[in-house]
Amino acid sequence: NAGVMQNPRHLVRRRGQEARLRCSPMKGHSHVYWYRQLPEEGLKFMVYLQKENIIDESGMPKERFSAEFPKEGPSILRIQQVVRGDSAAYFCASSPSEGTLSGYTFGSGTRLTVV
Amino acid sequence: AQRVTQPEKLLSVFKGAPVELKCNYSYSGSPELFWYVQYSRQRLQLLLRHISRESIKGFTADLNKGETSFHLKKPFAQEEDSAMYYCAHRPGSKLTFGTGTRLQVTL
Repeated sequence: NAGVMQNPRHLVRRRGQEARLRCSPMKGHSHVYWYRQLPEEGLKFMVYLQKENIIDESGMPKERFSAEFPKEGPSILRIQQVVRGDSAAYFCASSPSEGTLSGYTFGSGTRLTVV
Repeated sequence: AQRVTQPEKLLSVFKGAPVELKCNYSYSGSPELFWYVQYSRQRLQLLLRHISRESIKGFTADLNKGETSFHLKKPFAQEEDSAMYYCAHRPGSKLTFGTGTRLQVTL
């Protein structure tokens, strides 16, 4: 079991470009969560998805950010027209069900740098 | 708001000294509490769950409902314990993290 796979590991984008971050959950996990970690800050929840459904997007910025978890393929976090303030580490986590007591399994993250 | 608070941003201790990383929660129901650890440039890993009352890598954490705390403790710090530690709770469907405490163990 390869665990939660995120790619790319590092992503550099110029201001105004689009960033696409991918997350493949652990085998058997159908719940995906995205978190953002700004420099010197903690993890902030962004969005919780199940296959083809957004369950909770209360942490997503209202503009430019979107997420999906299609029936087939990885979950995608998409940031349009990136700005310098979007530079952060973006972590994906997965769990087998909503109420699991084992916590989440995290990926290694994607470090986005906007230049 | 339901949240966890980690009052210390940085905790620096000598090798062999006791460690206590503080975490307080504000939640009226029965909380689900966790400690996660992030070693330098690595992914977050689950360290402890309050429900299991286990000891991992010498760390323990006891839920104190009277003080609404879930402090992480270790009697003797090791160099390899240096990392970021996050307290987290799950009042509903998602884990909510504290701001984290960086533990620095020096010789």
